Amino acid sequence: EVQLLESGGGLVHPGGSLRLSCVASGFTFNEYAISWIRQAPGKGLQWVSAITGSGATYFADSVKGRFTISRDNSKNTVHLQLNSLRAEDTAGYYCAKVRSSKLHYFDYWGQGTLVTVSS
Amino acid sequence: IVMTQSPATLSVSPGERATLSCRASQSVGSNLAWYQQKPGQAPRLLIYDASTRATGIPTRFRGSGSGTDFTLTISSLRSEDFAVYYCHQYNKWPPDTLGQGTKLEIK
Repeated sequence: EVQLLESGGGLVHPGGSLRLSCVASGFTFNEYAISWIRQAPGKGLQWVSAITGSGATYFADSVKGRFTISRDNSKNTVHLQLNSLRAEDTAGYYCAKVRSSKLHYFDYWGQGTLVTVSS
Repeated sequence: IVMTQSPATLSVSPGERATLSCRASQSVGSNLAWYQQKPGQAPRLLIYDASTRATGIPTRFRGSGSGTDFTLTISSLRSEDFAVYYCHQYNKWPPDTLGQGTKLEIK
């Protein structure tokens, strides 16, 4: 059974940092990309970042230069480092498994972790 | 690519059919997925490649369309189908782009 479990969310001041983690199980982790998608309170879904199995990274323009993504295939874990946080980064952050490099939809999702940026 | 869903809210009675629309600002071929999200839960994949149901998805969910215009049809609505639905194009990424969602509510 595929499972994804996020952690690391919390309350942070504007300008602060957080590191989110996504631990995966139930599939051959190093063969699949992982994406992060966020959802501001009461709003829709917004793709944030992705990392392929080989480590190539991609970011939405709204977070480029502030967020980084990495993976540790030995621990089946993806990290999303959030720096220079702003109020508009407040959201639930989901990690999702990407079906394949050509079929870039999200076939499994974690339950999410909440990030609140407030003074 | 901008994905636009309509309507924003759809009120339908249980047992009836719901038709949700998604339009892309340029052709995405058949590279379109639909997700369902219930309150307090993560999204769940319903449809990929515009018309293929994901594992375990009931046959009352049907996706159709290609190019720029797509439809999710839910026949014989059940209480558990009332949720928010999102479309997602994966033809040209990054970025992945999703629609703003359609809330399907009980009439």
